[in-house]
Amino acid sequence: EAQVTQNPRYLITVTGKKLTVTCSQNMNHEYMSWYRQDPGLGLRQIYYSMNVEVTDKGDVPEGYKVSRKEKRNFPLILESPSPNQTSLYFCASPRPGEQFFGPGTRLTVL
Amino acid sequence: AQKVTQAQTEISVVEKEDVTLDCVYETRDTTYYLFWYKQPPSGELVFLIRRNSFDEQNEISGRYSWNFQKSTSSFNFTITASQVVDSAVYFCALSEEYNFNKFYFGSGTKLNVKP
Repeated sequence: EAQVTQNPRYLITVTGKKLTVTCSQNMNHEYMSWYRQDPGLGLRQIYYSMNVEVTDKGDVPEGYKVSRKEKRNFPLILESPSPNQTSLYFCASPRPGEQFFGPGTRLTVL
Repeated sequence: AQKVTQAQTEISVVEKEDVTLDCVYETRDTTYYLFWYKQPPSGELVFLIRRNSFDEQNEISGRYSWNFQKSTSSFNFTITASQVVDSAVYFCALSEEYNFNKFYFGSGTKLNVKP
């Protein structure tokens, strides 16, 4: 079954404590993305990757890092989380005309 | 520039009423895809429909129907005989063929269906 998985699903942390949200896809797609969803703003792209070792900024990259060392994995790293990064995060893996989303990670930064 | 607008922030209806969710988009590309997603309170995104820019045929799937009109850049979604289980946030989204990596989402419409 084609799927995108992400972990953890829920995370509560404190300001400044580094965290990583993992994402994995089993479709051998070249592209992967991270989005954040905030009330009234829809989903906005944070970073994306076109292939291994190739990443680029999306619309709201500040405060985030990503890496793509393997084709299937695309972790999102918050090195010093702040309360304004409290949000619902989605990992995604597209192909033309189709987008596969992970189940979402609810992050709360206190 | 690419943009998706869902002007209705929140809609409340009584069960069995019909409801239409509006979506207006902007793009310079001639080949693109439009989508509707449902987000129930649990938070996951549930894919509902995809249309490509060359297919303006309206579609009906059970109680759901979609009206795609390129002339007005609209892709509206109608739920007939709404049910409480339809309560969710609904997102309209746009993807362009040559930049398919990026989805442009509207801000979402929250639908409340009351018994």
